[in-house]
Amino acid sequence: GAGVSQSPSNKVTEKGKDVELRCDPISGHTALYWYRQSLGQGLEFLIYFQGNSAPDKSGLPSDRFSAERTGGSVSTLTIQRTQQEDSAVYLCASSLPGGINYGYTFGSGTRLTVV
Amino acid sequence: DAKTTQPPSMDCAEGRAANLPCNHSTISGNEYVYWYRQIHSQGPQYIIHGLKNNETNEMASLIITEDRKSSTLILPHATLRDTAVYYCIVRVAGRDDKIIFGKGTRLHILP
Repeated sequence: GAGVSQSPSNKVTEKGKDVELRCDPISGHTALYWYRQSLGQGLEFLIYFQGNSAPDKSGLPSDRFSAERTGGSVSTLTIQRTQQEDSAVYLCASSLPGGINYGYTFGSGTRLTVV
Repeated sequence: DAKTTQPPSMDCAEGRAANLPCNHSTISGNEYVYWYRQIHSQGPQYIIHGLKNNETNEMASLIITEDRKSSTLILPHATLRDTAVYYCIVRVAGRDDKIIFGKGTRLHILP
């Protein structure tokens, strides 16, 4: 596609439920990144994929958070047993190998609200 | 990646040039300077990057000092739509790993 697509754009869930957030990167972008941004806060790195493998998962805040990527394309971020502090905008970005000439392209994000 | 320092906020009158400074005194020879911006409620947007020469594209100009310890992003004719948080980042050439975003500069364009 022309850009990074994220779905859903908004998600309201009850505390304790599981949620899945989806990211469709730009075709041909081998690197994929997940960030989150709580209200009024900065961007917090979660995980980075190169192809289907995740060399850096250091930003995942707890074992309730997991992510996978299949076919070197679509990625899913799963949050189990959601808590109110998980409420944030979850942003996905992708880039060409090396990232040099084009930097990252971000999606519009998924706004997650845990009630 | 080298650390950057930016002012927390700046104001600029609409139609004037907005000059956003960034200090990166510990930058190493193979690190590029990148600028992104984040308009409210949107994902960050790539603006421009450079190594040591000044760069210009349709969005902005990037001026890097000769010693590469600081740079300035210039928006030549700021509009209200340029109101955003602007992030200056330095990172090694050819790396795919994470970008760490700092707090950036919140630019207010005044009508």
